[in-house]
Amino acid sequence: SQKIEQNSEALNIQEGKTATLTCNYTNYSPAYLQWYRQDPGRGPVFLLLIRENEKEKRKERLKVTFDTTLKQSLFHITASQPADSATYLCALPSKRAAGNKLTFGGGTRVLVKP
Amino acid sequence: DAGVIQSPRHEVTEMGQEVTLRCKPISGHDYLFWYRQTMMRGLELLIYFNNNVPIDDSGMPEDRFSAKMPNASFSTLKIQPSEPRDSAVYFCASSFLGGPTEAFFGQGTRLTVV
Repeated sequence: SQKIEQNSEALNIQEGKTATLTCNYTNYSPAYLQWYRQDPGRGPVFLLLIRENEKEKRKERLKVTFDTTLKQSLFHITASQPADSATYLCALPSKRAAGNKLTFGGGTRVLVKP
Repeated sequence: DAGVIQSPRHEVTEMGQEVTLRCKPISGHDYLFWYRQTMMRGLELLIYFNNNVPIDDSGMPEDRFSAKMPNASFSTLKIQPSEPRDSAVYFCASSFLGGPTEAFFGQGTRLTVV
């Protein structure tokens, strides 16, 4: 089964700086990878999806990269704001083919200080 | 649409009692997922349905857990009898067509078994 590793230590960052989160996976390379945001007491909210043939994806101040050689995805929050403080989860399908069963990483908590 | 609706938001029950969690997916979505989140194990998929049919229940921890989806707009997750180790936040999520599309999560049910 797929194993996903995210840095379990919280990331403290100054407002305006770029936060970079890492998602590493083992075994097969998935057809796509997703990133979610989770605030305390709430369910995860989808942010971005990147496919295996895409090196980079952007959405406003967010950027995701996908390196199938390194088996790694990087998630960047540029010009970070206190409102970006949350836990960020990466998720991969549990089977090689584009499937429905997502496996989630443990998440990385981000704290943006004003 | 109001999004995925779960009830109750909080549930406190005594060990040995039956617990039923409820979920109303987003209208038109044909996949429904039940997840459990704990600090130790993160977000785990318990079971998922496609067009009301259970597809994969390999994540269901044991026979004490059961899930049903009698129609496209309603699903239940039942634990009987409940145990303290079942204490967690249970999320329901739904998606359209499955595959590389986003999952929409409910607010979750925080279950405490004492």
